[in-house]
Amino acid sequence: ETGVTQTPRHLVMGMTNKKSLKCEQHLGHNAMYWYKQSAKKPLELMFVYSLEERVENNSVPSRFSPECPNSSHLFLHLHTLQPEDSALYLCASSQEIGSGANVLTFGAGSRLTVL
Amino acid sequence: GQNIDQPTEMTATEGAIVQINCTYQTSGFNGLFWYQQHAGEAPTFLSYNVLDGLEEKGRFSSFLSRSKGYSYLLLKELQMKDSASYLCAVRDGDYKLSFGAGTTVTVRA
Repeated sequence: ETGVTQTPRHLVMGMTNKKSLKCEQHLGHNAMYWYKQSAKKPLELMFVYSLEERVENNSVPSRFSPECPNSSHLFLHLHTLQPEDSALYLCASSQEIGSGANVLTFGAGSRLTVL
Repeated sequence: GQNIDQPTEMTATEGAIVQINCTYQTSGFNGLFWYQQHAGEAPTFLSYNVLDGLEEKGRFSSFLSRSKGYSYLLLKELQMKDSASYLCAVRDGDYKLSFGAGTTVTVRA
């Protein structure tokens, strides 16, 4: 596979469940990101990892817990979520987190519905 | 922080030209990006501007004026497959990319 792959594509969970979103990139990139996309709202940056070290935690509630075991994989662990957390969660990667034409390559997203 | 504004929706006819404007207010500036996102798909990179002027790439062009905090994406010879959401994004530092809410373009036959 090439590009950025996210699983599952769709997830429905109750507020007391624990689930995880997975992201895998086959591009040899060193930086990975989690974004939240809600309807009619801008993408919100949640977490940034560079070479498996977290460099950004953008005031995200602790019910979202990221994990980056290596530069190719990124997880978002979910627990005791709220209905307002229902959204499309996008993973992205880039060659590095530096400046210049540092283009993000996005996955297709995981559509999360919290009941 | 960043404030990025773009129109919510635009409609145009196949073969026509559409211009999507983006204005931004930032504490710093380190590049402006345009992404295209079809419904249910990943956003894909279209263009990058860091200096003032026009960047042309086939049917798509992007313009930047840093002094005015303004950019536009120009789509020429519109095709039905161009129906999508177009996202304007500004980088204010090393990696923080802030996005507008997106402009949904509908191309009609």
